[in-house]
Amino acid sequence: QKEVEQNSGPLSVPEGAIASLNCTYSDRGSQSFFWYRQYSGKSPELIMFIYSNGDKEDGRFTAQLNKASQYVSLLIRDSQPSDSATYLCAVNIRDDYKLSFGAGTTVTVRA
Amino acid sequence: KAGVTQTPRYLIKTRGQQVTLSCSPISGHRSVSWYQQTPGQGLQFLFEYFSETQRNKGNFPGRFSGRQFSNSRSEMNVSTLELGDSALYLCASSLGQLENIQYFGAGTRLSVL
Repeated sequence: QKEVEQNSGPLSVPEGAIASLNCTYSDRGSQSFFWYRQYSGKSPELIMFIYSNGDKEDGRFTAQLNKASQYVSLLIRDSQPSDSATYLCAVNIRDDYKLSFGAGTTVTVRA
Repeated sequence: KAGVTQTPRYLIKTRGQQVTLSCSPISGHRSVSWYQQTPGQGLQFLFEYFSETQRNKGNFPGRFSGRQFSNSRSEMNVSTLELGDSALYLCASSLGQLENIQYFGAGTRLSVL
């Protein structure tokens, strides 16, 4: 079983719609959860992090964490063409000072 | 505040050579992590350094090594390059706390011919 799994995509949404990205992780001791955005040919850019169960909102982005279900999601509201990118879910497994990444979900926002 | 700086941005090497990549973290960050990104394997953790000490290491052969200097700058070395080492090598810096919020540099794209 992979440490971090994401819905494989690709995900295509119309402009203005909500994009929903999902991620599950295997280690119940995981403490920190991150979403990175990576444009083609660029490096990952941190867009959200969450530690506690529940929702965390930042602008058009909302991260949701459910530790009991070992599930973290990212919602992108009012999707824009500039949101077209690959979104990487990362998990800090316990206290070993490394991030484990999912394979990424590619999102395309259609104008 | 300057971000994470990686040099060089691009490298072309031949099999059997060795290569050294450099990473300067965000000012005040004492932890530097290295990752390899390939289309087939995604982002894979290589190692993490904090205050000149390696705290964690991924599942890579001994040809991959690193070090960190007293100013928190880090270098990664790959010896006896193989074709499969062609990848984007990413460095990320953080404060080194358990929350482990990491910020990435632009990466070094290595091509092995």
